[in-house]
Amino acid sequence: EIVMTQSPATLSVSPGERATLSCRASQSVSSHLAWHQQKPGQAPRLLIYGASTRATGIPARFSGSGSGTEFTLTISSLQSEDFAVYYCQQYNSWPTFGQGTKLEIK
Amino acid sequence: EVQLVESEGGLIQPGGSLRLSCAASGFTVRSNYMSWVRQAPGKGLEWVSLIYSSGNTYYADSAKGRFTISRDNSKNTVYLQMNSLRAEDTAVYYCARVSGILGNYFESWGQGTLVTVSS
Repeated sequence: EIVMTQSPATLSVSPGERATLSCRASQSVSSHLAWHQQKPGQAPRLLIYGASTRATGIPARFSGSGSGTEFTLTISSLQSEDFAVYYCQQYNSWPTFGQGTKLEIK
Repeated sequence: EVQLVESEGGLIQPGGSLRLSCAASGFTVRSNYMSWVRQAPGKGLEWVSLIYSSGNTYYADSAKGRFTISRDNSKNTVYLQMNSLRAEDTAVYYCARVSGILGNYFESWGQGTLVTVSS
């Protein structure tokens, strides 16, 4: 099983600022990496797949980068609706998720 | 518009069984990969099971031998039959449409249904 590790566990950022979330895989997953956003009491929502491709309807302020074992999700200018938990998910083998990063208002 | 609607979960005694359903609209389940993902209270996401358009099925180790994924093409619905339930199966269960062509990432999610296993 490929273990996904996200950091930090909690990130405090002010609205309008940039947020950078990290995800590391225990072995290479190539570019088979997705990011999902989950708000309290809601289902997750796909943001990014293929490490850097935005899903339909996702604003351009969300961007993903990386390959192999190191990945980053960047939110360029935080809006109030962006404060949520973010999960990375690899699909190079059977799917596994990171433990999540909670993005909170500073 | 893609929509996934899970059936109501419930409170089940340890050792009991429950079948979840996921009614899809906006696409046909027989032509897509479909999956179940769960989330224990206050915890992260865990993949449970996958059914390919071919009908092949796959399971996480935690579900093997106890859970069965299936679909009814005439009802455009996917099911998860859960047997021998344990306390650690308590979770919100999400139905998800899987990309398939570009890999097994979860494109669309249902609203989720809570299954509680407790005496």
